[in-house]
Amino acid sequence: DAKTTQPPSMDCAEGRAANLPCNHSTISGNEYVYWYRQIHSQGPQYIIHGLKNNETNEMASLIITEDRKSSTLILPHATLRDTAVYYCITGGDNQGGKLIFGQGTELSVKP
Amino acid sequence: DAGVIQSPRHEVTEMGQEVTLRCKPISGHNSLFWYRQTMMRGLELLIYFNNNVPIDDSGMPEDRFSAKMPNASFSTLKIQPSEPRDSAVYFCASSFPGSTEAFFGQGTRLTVV
Repeated sequence: DAKTTQPPSMDCAEGRAANLPCNHSTISGNEYVYWYRQIHSQGPQYIIHGLKNNETNEMASLIITEDRKSSTLILPHATLRDTAVYYCITGGDNQGGKLIFGQGTELSVKP
Repeated sequence: DAGVIQSPRHEVTEMGQEVTLRCKPISGHNSLFWYRQTMMRGLELLIYFNNNVPIDDSGMPEDRFSAKMPNASFSTLKIQPSEPRDSAVYFCASSFPGSTEAFFGQGTRLTVV
């Protein structure tokens, strides 16, 4: 079973920041937080991952709480093409494709 | 690189027939993963290979399913005999050794009637 909890769905206005929460209260000390997304009819796509420090790349930012029991994925300026299911996953530092997907959050970006 | 390539993209077959799904990983990736996605169960890891060797097949639903990786650039997932409940989208993914990121193919949508 997935070890994370996410809201099933969220809406966001185009151009605004999308903040997607994830709860991983049972995460162990050496486990990372990974985020993937799946656009309709496509395979999942890696977004970002982190251990305990906040991370940022060209796609998104990842904010991990100090106790590491939860995190937030931030899409700073959401576009219609960001409409997708977003998955938060925990695992080792060389997880590769050995991923346990939960149900994810279905993000709808609306004009 | 063209990414992970799966074929066919769509497959419709009759119950009882043998089905073979194919995957070409990204060149240089030594880990390969097969997933199945259904509305009821979401994305499930079926089996994964490291250096062409099956490491964990605990996700394979039953003996009707088998997977092989005869070389570093090709893998197959076979279902024999197929059943309607096998209808799903099957994804293949690959990654570099010790990588944190996996690359997924576009999937094969299988319909068993």
